[in-house]
Amino acid sequence: NAGVTQTPKFQVLKTGQSMTLQCAQDMNHEYMSWYRQDPGMGLRLIHYSVGAGITDQGEVPNGYNVSRSTTEDFPLRLLSAAPSQTSVYFCASSYSAGVAFFGQGTRLTVV
Amino acid sequence: KQEVTQIPAALSVPEGENLVLNCSFTDSAIYNLQWFRQDPGKGLTSLLLIQSSQREQTSGRLNASLDKSSGRSTLYIAASQPGDSATYLCAVDRGSTLGRLYFGRGTQLTVWP
Repeated sequence: NAGVTQTPKFQVLKTGQSMTLQCAQDMNHEYMSWYRQDPGMGLRLIHYSVGAGITDQGEVPNGYNVSRSTTEDFPLRLLSAAPSQTSVYFCASSYSAGVAFFGQGTRLTVV
Repeated sequence: KQEVTQIPAALSVPEGENLVLNCSFTDSAIYNLQWFRQDPGKGLTSLLLIQSSQREQTSGRLNASLDKSSGRSTLYIAASQPGDSATYLCAVDRGSTLGRLYFGRGTQLTVWP
């Protein structure tokens, strides 16, 4: 049972580049979400989804895009990377409002 | 907006002590509260989940209590061990927007032998 899998683990981007952070879960969870973790700021919600085809914005959605075409996958797209998007990104999944399972994170640096 | 605060921000104790970590939240209309553990460079692992109708949950040496009306939760760690060293985060799930977690900034715990 793989749980929540995030790829890549590390990434360096140049300002203006775009990329997609991948997230997949094999637990048939309805709820999936993306958070970013910054020193001194805690985890902040970027986007979340309550099922395939349904997404909504969190606290800090600007500069990010998501879609949910399947139950298993919830990719996060950076449209035009900025240094302010340097962070550690976590994907999470859960049944409704149950125990949340987190991936190991993607450490992104934008130069 | 839901604000979650954790006190203390850091804690360093000798092995064997009993510990209390505190979490408070501003909006008492929560669905549940979770305590997580995060090791350096790793993801979060859920330790305990307390539903809003419950007062406490226990798992091994861990006990979490919830006082929803006063907006407080505590995580009690009995007989602490060096392996307990990690950052502990609490998060609340609001009833109006299930699946959205609001996190505190965490308590960084160091247990030395």
